[in-house]
Amino acid sequence: EADIYQTPRYLVIGTGKKITLECSQTMGHDKMYWYQQDPGMELHLIHYSYGVNSTEKGDLSSESTVSRIRTEHFPLTLESARPSHTSQYLCASSEGIGGHTEAFFGQGTRLTVV
Amino acid sequence: DQQVKQNSPSLSVQEGRISILNCDYTNSMFDYFLWYKKYPAEGPTFLISISSIKDKNEDGRFTVFLNKSAKHLSLHIVPSQPGDSAVYFCAASSSGSARQLTFGSGTQLTVLP
Repeated sequence: EADIYQTPRYLVIGTGKKITLECSQTMGHDKMYWYQQDPGMELHLIHYSYGVNSTEKGDLSSESTVSRIRTEHFPLTLESARPSHTSQYLCASSEGIGGHTEAFFGQGTRLTVV
Repeated sequence: DQQVKQNSPSLSVQEGRISILNCDYTNSMFDYFLWYKKYPAEGPTFLISISSIKDKNEDGRFTVFLNKSAKHLSLHIVPSQPGDSAVYFCAASSSGSARQLTFGSGTQLTVLP
């Protein structure tokens, strides 16, 4: 069973609020990812990190930002939430560079901006 | 442009029968393919994978077949069980993209008792 945790599981918040979605893993994985998924759609990569102090934007443009100060922690922040940010946010991690390896996912955060 | 396509948004199968989920890809650089299963309000869980050097990989009730010339893979579940009802995502990666996963849009499998 994967040891990757996301909090909160569900969040309903008003427009303009600042939010941080937490993601932690205890597997010592170097790579971490944030995906965004809407119902019936594919998972879109919005941010990734290959290690401490490394962050990159993914394929899908996002107004969110991420940080990677510790290996195990990869929080995502929205400075000013909007209804268009309503979605499911999934955090994942995988082992280091090279080789075939699967990504392990957290349980996700369902964000609703009203 | 979607590089990984799952053209069937849904599939219903009777319990005990075979479920076949299909996936097509367009990027010839993909060399590793994975299937994930996702329940509502939860994150995807890894099911099975296959490298491009193989054409079949089996794990219990789950078998993945890869046809590189057709850029097609399929997941077979035999026998199907009601607990298999979930959304199944196909994903692919390549060494050129540093092993980032590209996902399809998923197929909702419903196994009827």
